[in-house]
Amino acid sequence: KAGVTQTPRYLIKTRGQQVTLSCSPISGHRSVSWYQQTPGQGLQFLFEYFSETQRNKGNFPGRFSGRQFSNSRSEMNVSTLELGDSALYLCASSPTGRETDTQYFGPGTRLTVL
Amino acid sequence: EDKVVQSPLSLVVHEGDTVTLNCSYEVTNFRSLLWYKQEKKAPTFLFMLTSSGIEKKSGRLSSILDKKELFSILNITATQTGDSAIYLCALNNNAGNMLTFGGGTRLMVKP
Repeated sequence: KAGVTQTPRYLIKTRGQQVTLSCSPISGHRSVSWYQQTPGQGLQFLFEYFSETQRNKGNFPGRFSGRQFSNSRSEMNVSTLELGDSALYLCASSPTGRETDTQYFGPGTRLTVL
Repeated sequence: EDKVVQSPLSLVVHEGDTVTLNCSYEVTNFRSLLWYKQEKKAPTFLFMLTSSGIEKKSGRLSSILDKKELFSILNITATQTGDSAIYLCALNNNAGNMLTFGGGTRLMVKP
């Protein structure tokens, strides 16, 4: 089975712009979670989608949003980019999103905001 | 607020050494504790622990969870340079598929 894929792998934007990142889960996985990783804050949970519905949300401002499509692919959007949004954005998929599911991570999208 | 603390922050050892990485937590009602290895980008899954006192093993790596004392350890025996990575501990709470990560332990194994 192919792993979790994320596109693009690298992105450079300027402050005030918006960005959309894409995540394709492992085939058959219905839960997709997004995480932000920075040197200062480590890995932090953004949100989780299951069956096209946001099921959990982390402590991030409303500029961060996401959605999931019927084929379980997910996108996250960050509007009005700030310098502090520079980070590695990771998505993870799991079969059903139960607490005892293993989450498998994609390679991430490295976002740099100038 | 849920809290996961890993120690040490970083560790330098030589090939062949045995290392023990620690993960302590202040989390109520979690369902599973996971260990991941992160070398370049994607964290790769190592272990999931759900029950206290049951050791999970995979080759030179092993891990155990103590729910009474609120910690987990990851042991690596006969370390190799390929074990150099950041090791992450995460808890999955009861509210769904949301992982709370510790800050990680950076392990460097010298030849």
